[in-house]
Amino acid sequence: NAGVTQTPKFQVLKTGQSMTLQCAQDMNHNSMYWYRQDPGMGLRLIYYSASEGTTDKGEVPNGYNVSRLNKREFSLRLESAAPSQTSVYFCASTPGDYQETQYFGPGTRLLVL
Amino acid sequence: AQSVTQLDSQVPVFEEAPVELRCNYSSSVSVYLFWYVQYPNQGLQLLLKYLSGSTLVKGINGFEAEFNKSQTSFHLRKPSVHISDTAEYFCAVSDRGHDKIIFGKGTRLHILP
Repeated sequence: NAGVTQTPKFQVLKTGQSMTLQCAQDMNHNSMYWYRQDPGMGLRLIYYSASEGTTDKGEVPNGYNVSRLNKREFSLRLESAAPSQTSVYFCASTPGDYQETQYFGPGTRLLVL
Repeated sequence: AQSVTQLDSQVPVFEEAPVELRCNYSSSVSVYLFWYVQYPNQGLQLLLKYLSGSTLVKGINGFEAEFNKSQTSFHLRKPSVHISDTAEYFCAVSDRGHDKIIFGKGTRLHILP
């Protein structure tokens, strides 16, 4: 099993450009999450999907959209990138219950100029 | 609302010395508690978790944590650290009945030779 995979690993954007971060898991997990990690801020939840077909806002959803394409895939889209979105983005998944372990991908490092 | 406070942003400790990383949480209901570790340039992985039962929880790599309900704390300990423990450690809390968890801002553990 590959676990949780994320593409791309690195990306540089100019302000105003758009892009989609891809995440896939092969563990048959129900819940998936997108976080951003900034120095001194820890991990902050952007969006999550408790099950296929549902998505909900987290702590910092502004400027992002998500799509739960199927049970395996959960994508994060930046419609018009801003320098404040420079960050490391992590995708995670859990079997379905909040007490379960979260499995993280390796991250996408995004720089917005 | 849930919150997690990691009292130290950085902790230097000599190799083979003991270490304690502190975590306090606030929540009005029963909680699940977690410690995750992030090695350089990697995603997070679970060290240990408290769901119920014994308040002393043992995890991977010789780490353990103790749940103290009266002090709302979940401090992480290791009796003798190794250079390979150099990483950032995150405490996290989830309210029972909710489907997401809140992470602390992290504590960087620096092992001194």
